[in-house]
Amino acid sequence: IAGITQAPTSQILAAGRRMTLRCTQDMRHNAMYWYRQDLGLGLRLIHYSNTAGTTGKGEVPDGYSVSRANTDDFPLTLASAVPSQTSVYFCASSDSSRSTEAFFGQGTRLTVV
Amino acid sequence: DAKTTQPPSMDCAEGRAANLPCNHSTISGNEYVYWYRQIHSQGPQYIIHGLKNNETNEMASLIITEDRKSSTLILPHATLRDTAVYYCIVRSVFNTGKLIFGQGTTLQVKP
Repeated sequence: IAGITQAPTSQILAAGRRMTLRCTQDMRHNAMYWYRQDLGLGLRLIHYSNTAGTTGKGEVPDGYSVSRANTDDFPLTLASAVPSQTSVYFCASSDSSRSTEAFFGQGTRLTVV
Repeated sequence: DAKTTQPPSMDCAEGRAANLPCNHSTISGNEYVYWYRQIHSQGPQYIIHGLKNNETNEMASLIITEDRKSSTLILPHATLRDTAVYYCIVRSVFNTGKLIFGQGTTLQVKP
């Protein structure tokens, strides 16, 4: 089934550790996004990529990095996790050549202790 | 992308129409109105989008005012499964760049 796959589904991470959240899509979408969602709040954009090889900063980029080496993958890295990065992380993709919808993954629940 | 304003919460009786408003007074001519919803703990789900004409699909109808400064998402016969947070987003027709979500409207469908 076509769509977006995020891994892991959930993770408990010690503060100061490095962590990469994985996101893969098989729809050949140009654009990909990473969001975080904290309890009671809406989705906040962390980083995005309009096409392979390019990335951009969203609303809350500090403490996170991304890369887009190919069309399908858009990993999000926390270089040194802090408790304030405890959140649910959603990856999404859309076809930037048309005004179509964005598809979202099911999220990664990350707890930094 | 233009900013949107939505009421924080709304209630609707099961079986009745749910009308969710969105204000986007700074929308520009090349921006679409998109609606998404997020059911508890799940990733957001696309509902519908439009530029200036009213749109309808199997999930909902979208009514955009003539001046395009506001819109209404209509769920014609709300069910308990429609309880969710509904997000109105305005985005360029070129569909590139940031996809920014606001706080959305929490719709509670009651029996």
